[in-house]
This record gives sequence, C-alpha cells and structure tokens, in this order.
Amino acid sequence: QVQLVQSGAEVMKPGASVKVSCKTSGFIFIDEYIHWVRQAPGQGLEWMGWVDPKRGVARYSPKIQGRVTITSDTSISTAYIEVKRLQPDDTAVYFCARHPTDISGPWGQGTLITVSS
Amino acid sequence: DIELTQSPGTLSLSPGERATLSCRASQNIIGNHLGWYQQRPGQAPRLLIYGASARAAGVADRFSGSGSGTDFTLIINRLEPEDSAVYFCSHYRPSPWTFGQGTKVEIK
Repeated sequence: QVQLVQSGAEVMKPGASVKVSCKTSGFIFIDEYIHWVRQAPGQGLEWMGWVDPKRGVARYSPKIQGRVTITSDTSISTAYIEVKRLQPDDTAVYFCARHPTDISGPWGQGTLITVSS
Repeated sequence: DIELTQSPGTLSLSPGERATLSCRASQNIIGNHLGWYQQRPGQAPRLLIYGASARAAGVADRFSGSGSGTDFTLIINRLEPEDSAVYFCSHYRPSPWTFGQGTKVEIK
C-alpha cells in the first residue's frame, strides 16, 4: 500500500536551515509529483511547492520562493524539502503528499519544525 | 491564484444528522479539480473527495461531494462521533494548490 514516511521533529534556531525527508513506497516514484504543504499551529494549510522526480524539476510558492528547495532521490524514492534562513513564523508541521486521485493514499504523517531562540 | 471561502466556520450537529459544507471559489475551477479533506486533531489531512464528486478509496459513502464552476458542497450523511474534525476544500490543478480556511464539524 501507499506510504509516505517523514523524518522526525526538529527544533531550530532562527537563521538556520532544516531539511525534511519523505520516503515513499507503494507506487512508482518517478511517475508522481510530490507536493509539500505546511500548517502553522492552529492555522490552515499552505502549499509550498512540488518536485517532479522524473525530470528533477521543482516549482515553488512565490511566498517562500528563494528560501525553499525541494529535491528528490529516485534511487531511494525519497523527496526532500529544505528551508533556509528559518524565521519563527516558519514554525509549522510540514507534510508531503501526492496529487489527489482515487488511490493517492495518505499524506505523510507530518514533521513539526519549531523555530525558537 | 484561486481563493477558496468555506462556510460555515463551525457546525454543531447531533449524531445521525446531516452536515452540509460549502466552498466557494474566486474564479471558475476548470476541470472540477476540487477536493475535500478531513483533518482530525494531531493528524494529517485525509483525502475524502477529488474531482469535486469522486470518493477516494476507502471513504464511506456517507460522504458525498457535488458542484462545479465556483460553488461546491460536501455532504456528510448520518453523522457519527468520529466525523468530528475540520474539513478543508482544496483546488489542486493547476498548481499552486490552495485551501479554504476550513469548517469545523462538532458532534454534540
């Protein structure tokens, strides 16, 4: 079955960088875009971007472009999101997800990134 | 980008009742690329409906979606205690994905 398993929670200082992984299984990794969505505490959902593992191409939300890099490693069916120059309002749960279809399966379980001095 | 506005903000209903949730888009959603998600506290969103009206695998037939253009609806029939959650609508093609602010469904 489809699984997206993310790396664990992190506590980071302002100005640092963090990289979250999303290991996938149960589908052909190179055939699917992987999206990243974040949710600040008590807030709604914010789309951050996607990666196309087949072409190695990514697209980003203009709101955060320049501080975010989304990549993939096809040899281990894993996608990554790196956020640089972290600010306190980057504190959120970060989710990876597939494009919505009949069989897209669950999102990743989420990774809490806390930015605090 | 397409903005999505959900109403009401909160619904408080009893088990067995029907919940009707609305999602209005700022512009036509071509191809009906509109989905509905359920999010329980501490959990990831779970896809319920895609393509405005198609149920995702494993979703109970108590959940149904409808609509086109700019107006979409999620109906939950025969509410159960486990339906207590926040429900988000989402436009997903083309990117960027956008999300409504959510409707909280409380079961009395």
